Amino acid sequence: DVKVTQSSRYLVKRTGEKVFLECVQDMDHENMFWYRQDPGLGLRLIYFSYDVKMKEKGDIPEGYSVSREKKERFSLILESASTNQTSMYLCATTLVGSSYNEQFFGPGTRLTVL
Amino acid sequence: QQQVKQSPQSLIVQKGGISIINCAYENTAFDYFPWYQQFPGKGPALLIAIRPDVSEKKEGRFTISFNKSAKQFSLHIMDSQPGDSATYFCAATVTNDYKLSFGAGTTVTVRA
Repeated sequence: DVKVTQSSRYLVKRTGEKVFLECVQDMDHENMFWYRQDPGLGLRLIYFSYDVKMKEKGDIPEGYSVSREKKERFSLILESASTNQTSMYLCATTLVGSSYNEQFFGPGTRLTVL
Repeated sequence: QQQVKQSPQSLIVQKGGISIINCAYENTAFDYFPWYQQFPGKGPALLIAIRPDVSEKKEGRFTISFNKSAKQFSLHIMDSQPGDSATYFCAATVTNDYKLSFGAGTTVTVRA
């Protein structure tokens, strides 16, 4: 079974703080994704990475950056947290060449920015 | 701007009833349409998926109907059970693109 873990289930930060969200997967998947989930908006892609040190912007990258120094680990960075970044953040992975493009999700991190 | 429009936002159904969730898309390049199921406190997980070369796919009590000409697809949950209470997301993608475009989600509540 693929296991995708996220560093925190709940996080409370203050406006202007630098925030790191970490995601680790144990299945040697090439692709990793960061989404934010908001009621009525579904899942929106922030960034994705298709290889170590490779990244591509998703639909809503503003205010975020990412880092992938090792294949199993993908970090989302909020350079200066703002209240409109309060959300649920989900990490996902997928295997290149899989016939179903199935994405495997972590449990999510609920971030509150005060 | 969402590439996949999903409705309704929420629905309540009695145990044993049928839940129906509808999705529509515009991008004719999409060739793979998965549905994800998310329970409270968990990440979404793949439930069932369809490619446009078939009009229907059934797995247990879950059925996807696909209408290529109308660019619409829907999920039917037959004989709905309280354990089916969850949020359901439709999605669409182009094979080998790996990025999914998700709908807004539908929260299904099955009353016992």
